Amino acid sequence: DAGVIQSPRHEVTEMGQEVTLRCKPISGHDYLFWYRQTMMRGLELLIYFNNNVPIDDSGMPEDRFSAKMPNASFSTLKIQPSEPRDSAVYFCASAQKQETQYFGPGTRLLVL
Amino acid sequence: DQQVKQNSPSLSVQEGRISILNCDYTNSMFDYFLWYKKYPAEGPTFLISISSIKDKNEDGRFTVFLNKSAKHLSLHIVPSQPGDSAVYFCAANTIQGAQKLVFGQGTRLTINP
Repeated sequence: DAGVIQSPRHEVTEMGQEVTLRCKPISGHDYLFWYRQTMMRGLELLIYFNNNVPIDDSGMPEDRFSAKMPNASFSTLKIQPSEPRDSAVYFCASAQKQETQYFGPGTRLLVL
Repeated sequence: DQQVKQNSPSLSVQEGRISILNCDYTNSMFDYFLWYKKYPAEGPTFLISISSIKDKNEDGRFTVFLNKSAKHLSLHIVPSQPGDSAVYFCAANTIQGAQKLVFGQGTRLTINP
């Protein structure tokens, strides 16, 4: 299996622009997670889905952030408009039932 | 409010010696604990876990100890190898929120040859 796939791996954008991060989970996994890693706050859970349905989005920082999972093999995390404080590494992870979470390689986002 | 804390941002250990990474938590509802390892430019990978009904779990060179009364866990690596150099994250969750992991800040471990 290819593991969790994230794109792009790096993104540099200007403040105010829309940013879309993409994730393909491992086939057969029914849970999908979006995390953000910063120096100040470490690794934080933003939102997670079960069977394509958002279960807990309490970690989403504000309304500028939104996430969707239109089908079992694809999810997006969108930031609109982006701000410099959104600069971080964003990880997607997937899991089967209550098992171990497998992380993708991350998207490094820099908002200028 | 950090519910899971790793107070040492970095640790340097000689190859062959024991590495001990520490983690403290504040939420008494946590009953499952995990360690993840992360190399640069990669995502975290699961290393070892422990349930609150145990106080020790061993997997090869890696052992995790849990002290529930002190709300403290530690990861021991014996013997340490250069390939163990990475960032180690402690994480915790509850049975009710089994998939909602709360991570610590991470500790960067460097193994010196």
